[in-house]
Amino acid sequence: KNEVEQSPQNLTAQEGEFITINCSYSVGISALHWLQQHPGGGIVSLFMLSSGKKKHGRLIATINIQEKHSSLHITASHPRDSAVYICAVRSPNAGGTSYGKLTFGQGTILTVHP
Amino acid sequence: EPEVTQTPSHQVTQMGQEVILRCVPISNHLYFYWYRQILGQKVEFLVSFYNNEISEKSEIFDDQFSVERPDGSNFTLKIRSTKLEDSAMYFCASSERLFYQPQHFGDGTRLSIL
Repeated sequence: KNEVEQSPQNLTAQEGEFITINCSYSVGISALHWLQQHPGGGIVSLFMLSSGKKKHGRLIATINIQEKHSSLHITASHPRDSAVYICAVRSPNAGGTSYGKLTFGQGTILTVHP
Repeated sequence: EPEVTQTPSHQVTQMGQEVILRCVPISNHLYFYWYRQILGQKVEFLVSFYNNEISEKSEIFDDQFSVERPDGSNFTLKIRSTKLEDSAMYFCASSERLFYQPQHFGDGTRLSIL
């Protein structure tokens, strides 16, 4: 059973389009992360959310705790946005304690064409 | 901006050999993590480390694995007797605090077991 599900798995867009990537999770969480992974493999943290909405440049992340759902939006997409976008959640262990362990989704491969 | 540094970027090792992957976390960070990503799969948690001891570990992190912070700057992952299935990208991450702070990832070490 997957604890973190992302959709879509693959997304192709034209430059300038508005993009939405979705993440649903099945466990109680203390925080949700959106990460970006480039073709070379390195991972960059984009957002960490526990409620509401955050914005950084053309990127917006929202989370609905009650619905266990988060979205990552990219406005005015650009070819340099092409990457894998990963949702990861931090949840407590069976004993109810969180030591920072992240559980990852499978990633969304985004390709933006000029 | 401070970075998490991992060396080497690529390690090729014969099955059964010991391998040590090295990480230099961001200097004022206190919480350290290892994750791995088998090719084509999602990122998986291995271990978290704080105050010179393991806070939490996954089922993957068996007796073949160990972590150490030998001095004030390095954080290492040792695999005692490598298996073919240990081939993966290994990511080190660190954070300043356990809560309210994102984890910063290194660029990863690609481990290839022959």
